[in-house]
Amino acid sequence: QVQLQESGPGLVKPSGTLSLTCGVSGGSIRSSDWWSWIRQTPGKGLEWIGEVFHSGSPNYNPSFKSRLTISVDKSKNQFSLNLTSVTAADTAVYYCARRSSRASWTFDQWGQGILVSVSS
Amino acid sequence: EIVLTQSPGVLSLSPGERATLSCRASQTVSNNNLAWYQQRPGQAPRLLIYSASSRAPGIPDRFSGSGSGTDFSLTISRLEPEDFAVYFCQQYGGSPLTFGGGSKVEI
Repeated sequence: QVQLQESGPGLVKPSGTLSLTCGVSGGSIRSSDWWSWIRQTPGKGLEWIGEVFHSGSPNYNPSFKSRLTISVDKSKNQFSLNLTSVTAADTAVYYCARRSSRASWTFDQWGQGILVSVSS
Repeated sequence: EIVLTQSPGVLSLSPGERATLSCRASQTVSNNNLAWYQQRPGQAPRLLIYSASSRAPGIPDRFSGSGSGTDFSLTISRLEPEDFAVYFCQQYGGSPLTFGGGSKVEI
């Protein structure tokens, strides 16, 4: 059973860069799955941020595209999120998730989530 | 972008009762690529239903999904105590992937 675990700073300063990593265990990031980032806020609910394939090909939500990079590190079996120019509106619980063909390309495995606050 | 509107926002029921939740899309969801998730407090969402009506592995058969096009529903036939949670629909028929605002099933 694949397990996902988010890691990274819980506090980021305004105008800074939010950087998170998702470690994949119990399976390979080289599988034919998409590796996604999703965030959740009380105001906007669940938002899909974007995803990456093991080849490095990304798909981004246009709402984030101008300040977003999602990358994969096959040697470490992990993928990462970098979101630049953050504001208080980027304060959220961030989840990493797998989107798998086994479940018709839905999010069948999720990390536990990490709360990231944007504040000075 | 496909906007998903869920109703009701809150559903107050008792264990053993039937719950029916609705998810309406702003445009047709291609191939009925719609999923339902359950989220308990402090936990990540858990996949219940995909392709509008297929149960994910390990999901009890009291959960069922139906619908097509723009109108979808999730039914919980007899509520168990652990079913009191928030439920989200999500479409993956178009990009960007989007989620509904959620329906809370409370006692």
